Amino acid sequence: EIVMTQSPATLSVSPGERVTLSCRASQSVSSNLAWYQQKPGQAPRLLISRASTRAPDISARFSGSGSGTEFALTISSLQSEDFAVYFCQQYHEWPLWTFGQGTKVEIK
Amino acid sequence: DVQLVQSRAEVRKPGESLKISCKASGYKFPSYWIAWVRQMPGKGLEWMGIIYAADSDARYSPSFQGQVTFSVDKSISTAYLQWSSLRASDTAIYYCARQDITTTGAFDYWGQGTLVTVSS
Repeated sequence: EIVMTQSPATLSVSPGERVTLSCRASQSVSSNLAWYQQKPGQAPRLLISRASTRAPDISARFSGSGSGTEFALTISSLQSEDFAVYFCQQYHEWPLWTFGQGTKVEIK
Repeated sequence: DVQLVQSRAEVRKPGESLKISCKASGYKFPSYWIAWVRQMPGKGLEWMGIIYAADSDARYSPSFQGQVTFSVDKSISTAYLQWSSLRASDTAIYYCARQDITTTGAFDYWGQGTLVTVSS
């Protein structure tokens, strides 16, 4: 099983700041990586697939990068609606998909 | 519009059985896989497995193999997750999600979640 490790567990950020969340895979997942956003009481929402492709209707301030074992999600200028928990997920090792444990982005 | 609408919250006692549903609309149901994801209270997301709506080919995470059963009814575009004997540790929110294997590869649409509470 591929283990996905996200860091940090919590990020305290002020609105308007640029933030970068990290996700590391225990072995290569090529570009088969997605990022999801989850707000309290809501279902997760797809932000990024194939490591760097934004989902439809997702703001351009969200960008994904990386391949192999190291990935990043960058939010260029944090808005109030971006405070949430972010999960990465690999879908490389068929059919054993795994999620990272999540990074909570909170207001500083 | 693509929608996945899940059944309402359920409360059961340990040892009881349960089947929850996920009704799809707005797309060709047989053309996609449906995934099930568990979220225990205050915790992260756990992938339970997937089922192909066209032929009911189901794949389970080792952590959930033998503990749950997936099924689909193509005639009503609905996927199901069932337990034969619930435990208190099954208390969680369960999400269904559509997986677009051929394009994004990711879970592009999610149900609203079904809260399952198992308590004596």
